[in-house]
Amino acid sequence: GAGVSQTPSNKVTEKGKYVELRCDPISGHTALYWYRQSLGQGPEFLIYFQGTGAADDSGLPNDRFFAVRPEGSVSTLKIQRTERGDSAVYLCASSPAGSVGDEQFFGPGTRLTVL
Amino acid sequence: QKEVEQDPGPLSVPEGAIVSLNCTYSNSAFQYFMWYRQYSRKGPELLMYTYSSGNKEDGRFTAQVDKSSKYISLFIRDSQPSDSATYLCAMRNSWGKLQFGAGTQVVVTP
Repeated sequence: GAGVSQTPSNKVTEKGKYVELRCDPISGHTALYWYRQSLGQGPEFLIYFQGTGAADDSGLPNDRFFAVRPEGSVSTLKIQRTERGDSAVYLCASSPAGSVGDEQFFGPGTRLTVL
Repeated sequence: QKEVEQDPGPLSVPEGAIVSLNCTYSNSAFQYFMWYRQYSRKGPELLMYTYSSGNKEDGRFTAQVDKSSKYISLFIRDSQPSDSATYLCAMRNSWGKLQFGAGTQVVVTP
């Protein structure tokens, strides 16, 4: 079946602009995760959804970052007033139930460049 | 200091050699240990998943966890050029989020 998909694959924006990044998880997966991966680094946790609710948003760096998952499937990561330091690959992952033993399946990521 | 330390490499080996990768960590609460492979411009994919200390083998891959030393390893036998990728260690406790290492770039030369 289809894996996790993310759109757009690349996004170039100017400092101060607003961007939205979309994640389509594997069908039926209730858990969804967002990560940020800077060049030469491992993924860094941002937020975890269980169904429609954010179960853990402790990784969001500041209030410019916000994510939603209104119907428990597709999720959107929203970044306001983008800064050059926000440039990174934003990865989405999903897992069947969010249990500690579940594998997280990653999408290919959205490469965000803030000029 | 980061909770998970991993040498970024690059690590270059000839085809057929054994690749040896490792991570150290500081949080003694970590119980679940993973290795991911990430090809360029792709998302990470899970290779090995180990709970607590011990060894686990899957084909050409062997994962080792030594909780007393807070040290985990991944060995790749009979390496192939297709094994060239970045290898990420990751770990978590029973309730928390995944913590990743920085990743080690591996190059297997024909």
